[in-house]
Amino acid sequence: KQEVTQIPAALSVPEGENLVLNCSFTDSAIYNLQWFRQDPGKGLTSLLLIQSSQREQTSGRLNASLDKSSGRSTLYIAASQPGDSATYLCAVQRDFNKFYFGSGTKLNVKP
Amino acid sequence: SQTIHQWPATLVQPVGSPLSLECTVEGTSNPNLYWYRQAAGRGLQLLFYSVGIGQISSEVPQNLSASRPQDRQFILSSKKLLLSDSGFYLCAWMAGPNYGYTFGSGTRLTVV
Repeated sequence: KQEVTQIPAALSVPEGENLVLNCSFTDSAIYNLQWFRQDPGKGLTSLLLIQSSQREQTSGRLNASLDKSSGRSTLYIAASQPGDSATYLCAVQRDFNKFYFGSGTKLNVKP
Repeated sequence: SQTIHQWPATLVQPVGSPLSLECTVEGTSNPNLYWYRQAAGRGLQLLFYSVGIGQISSEVPQNLSASRPQDRQFILSSKKLLLSDSGFYLCAWMAGPNYGYTFGSGTRLTVV
């Protein structure tokens, strides 16, 4: 079974700081890895999808990397803003119809 | 463009009452559809998925069932709710293996 771990569970940083969120998984035989953002009481918003043949994806201030051999992915957020405050989830697609989710990193960006 | 709708947004139901949550997708055909539950303090748990009309795969044996009566409609049901059914229910769809998930806005269910 695929285990997905996200560290840290919570993170508080001052506005403007660059930060890295970590995601590790136990089985390197994956299809894709997807990063999501979840605001309190809301659904999940997709941020980035990294296909198994790719090593990274970028969108605006976000950059996600994937190292399948070591079972790791990182989400880099540049110049953080208070609006970035949310819970960030990574999900690993082990089989076509099965994504395994981490428990998330709750980010608080202080003004 | 494709959109996914879930309703209701919130629901408070007594123990033993029935449940019906609906999810519809617009702007695509033959999507793969998924029901997830997010319980307080726990991660997302896949409940059911469907690759076509009438085709339902169950991931977790429990008090819930799912149906797909139309191509873009996915329904989560229960005949008698338990307290443990409380949680945040999310519907998602996927166009293909390299497209990732798109989630709906979720339904907050509280069983009292």
